[in-house]
Amino acid sequence: QVQLVQSGAEVKKPGASVKISCKASGYTFTSLHMHWVRQAPGQGLEWMGQISPSGGKTNYAQKFQGRVRMTRDMSTSTDYMELSSLRSEDTAMYYCGRDSGTYSPDVWGQGTLVTVSS
Amino acid sequence: QTVVTQEPSLSVSPGGTVTLTCGLSSGSVSTTHYPSWYQQTPGQAPRTLIYSTNTRSSGVPDRFSGSILGSKAALTIAGAQADDESDYYCALYMGRGTYVFGTGTKVTVL
Repeated sequence: QVQLVQSGAEVKKPGASVKISCKASGYTFTSLHMHWVRQAPGQGLEWMGQISPSGGKTNYAQKFQGRVRMTRDMSTSTDYMELSSLRSEDTAMYYCGRDSGTYSPDVWGQGTLVTVSS
Repeated sequence: QTVVTQEPSLSVSPGGTVTLTCGLSSGSVSTTHYPSWYQQTPGQAPRTLIYSTNTRSSGVPDRFSGSILGSKAALTIAGAQADDESDYYCALYMGRGTYVFGTGTKVTVL
């Protein structure tokens, strides 16, 4: 069945970077976009960006421009989201979500908790 | 900065009907925004309910329906059940490959 499995929780210091992975299985990875969405504690969902099926094109929310990088490894069917210059406000659960061409994620990863603390 | 607004909270009686809306800080929501809706319970990943305005995701009961009502996207829950008590988020496609989530609505069934 279709599954997205994300990497484990991370604890980072302010100013550091974090790189989260999202391994896909059960479908043709190279055919579909992947979204990244985050949720700070007690807050709503926030769209961060997406990567194209080929990995050649990314679109990022303006808020994260210059600080986020989404990449794709076709050989392992894994997407990555790297966020740099971390600050306490980046403490959140980060989710990947597959887009089947429906302009929305339809299958979600389980989430990766990133804690930024000195 | 585009803001997508939702009611902060709504309540519904068991078996009743409730409609959640999703609006834009400026302008109207249309089908070209491909409105989608998500349900989330505490500690869980979101669950996709509706995409492209009114198409139910696989396995979603038909008591959930999506539409455009006036200038907003809407999610209607008919015949509400106790386990529909959740947070609900909409999302809109804003063009150029970008999206915005709504502020979220907490639905209470009581």
